[in-house]
Amino acid sequence: QKEVEQDPGPLSVPEGAIVSLNCTYSNSAFQYFMWYRQYSRKGPELLMYTYSSGNKEDGRFTAQVDKSSKYISLFIRDSQPSDSATYLCAKRHSGGSNYKLTFGKGTLLTVNP
Amino acid sequence: EAQVTQNPRYLITVTGKKLTVTCSQNMNHEYMSWYRQDPGLGLRQIYYSMNVEVTDKGDVPEGYKVSRKEKRNFPLILESPSPNQTSLYFCATRGQIFYGYTFGSGTRLTVV
Repeated sequence: QKEVEQDPGPLSVPEGAIVSLNCTYSNSAFQYFMWYRQYSRKGPELLMYTYSSGNKEDGRFTAQVDKSSKYISLFIRDSQPSDSATYLCAKRHSGGSNYKLTFGKGTLLTVNP
Repeated sequence: EAQVTQNPRYLITVTGKKLTVTCSQNMNHEYMSWYRQDPGLGLRQIYYSMNVEVTDKGDVPEGYKVSRKEKRNFPLILESPSPNQTSLYFCATRGQIFYGYTFGSGTRLTVV
């Protein structure tokens, strides 16, 4: 079983829609969970991160972690064409010296005007 | 402006011809890492470095070397590139206080 599973999509929505992006993970020894956004021909950029469980909101974006079900979600409200990108979930192993991130494979999102 | 600079952005080379992809950061971060990104496989860590002269293998280190002689630079070396190393490569860094990684813009390498 992959450590982080993410539905690759693609996902196409109309402008203004609520978008839900999801990942599951298999190892409980994780504390930091992140969402990265990657535009075409660019490097990933950190969008949001959460420590442990619960919700975190930043403008139109909400990140949610449910540790009991090992589920990570990103919600985008009032989606815009500029949100069109690949979204990567990631988690960081707790402890140890390698701050390695384990990524999902990414979900390609297109928001149509 | 905080930056991670990779060069070159695009490279086409032939099998067996040694090459180096450079990475430089201006954030004075100790930790740096290299990832490769492949369709269907996602981002995978190649090597990482905790500080100057301290490097270690990630998940897919075969066929790669790194060095860390100064804090700002972390070059990725392919001594004898092969076609299966055709990929999109990213250098990344992070600081002591965790706010996530900062990635470079990527190097698209094609080995023919």
